[in-house]
Amino acid sequence: GAVVSQHPSWVICKSGTSVKIECRSLDFQATTMFWYRQFPKQSLMLMATSNEGSKATYEQGVEKDKFLINHASLTLSTLTVTSAHPEDSSFYICSALPSVGNTEAFFGQGTRLTVV
Amino acid sequence: QKEVEQDPGPLSVPEGAIVSLNCTYSNSAFQYFMWYRQYSRKGPELLMYTYSSGNKEDGRFTAQVDKSSKYISLFIRDSQPSDSATYLCAMRRGDYKLSFGAGTTVTVRA
Repeated sequence: GAVVSQHPSWVICKSGTSVKIECRSLDFQATTMFWYRQFPKQSLMLMATSNEGSKATYEQGVEKDKFLINHASLTLSTLTVTSAHPEDSSFYICSALPSVGNTEAFFGQGTRLTVV
Repeated sequence: QKEVEQDPGPLSVPEGAIVSLNCTYSNSAFQYFMWYRQYSRKGPELLMYTYSSGNKEDGRFTAQVDKSSKYISLFIRDSQPSDSATYLCAMRRGDYKLSFGAGTTVTVRA
């Protein structure tokens, strides 16, 4: 089956620093990837849609200057949380939509971010 | 009002029981309906996918969609302890952006 790998699985960073999270589709190409955030005991909330070779589109209320998304290749999208604060601590999950075929997007295993 | 409502539970059932999960939604533009299983600190795994109203069966899992009532269900027959997880309903329009329910935590007791 299709595999989407996120790295790192977990990260602890100091308040004010930036953290980069990678999302890779290992065995398929993905023109479109999605970034979600999940707070404890809450649902996944879509943050942004990442399109290869173009700017990401952000959902209402998501700060594009704080959550920088880069989709430079058909197999890699990155999310950078800039100037992280404790309230940014959350579970970040990406999904990748295969460029060919009629299928749903496949999810990565998620990244647990803790800002101290 | 949330677009997708799902009772977070928790739900505890004995092994072998039928697990019944459901979600309601308010956006009539939703066309595609999914159920995901999520284990703790992991990404969601797609279980069932339906497009139209009606039933869809896959092994021990049955998904139901009633678009007229804006109501979807997932049934798990002969539940096993390995079915213990959080189950998320999700739905979308044609653009592949998913709207998720809050998730229901299910425990199947041996």
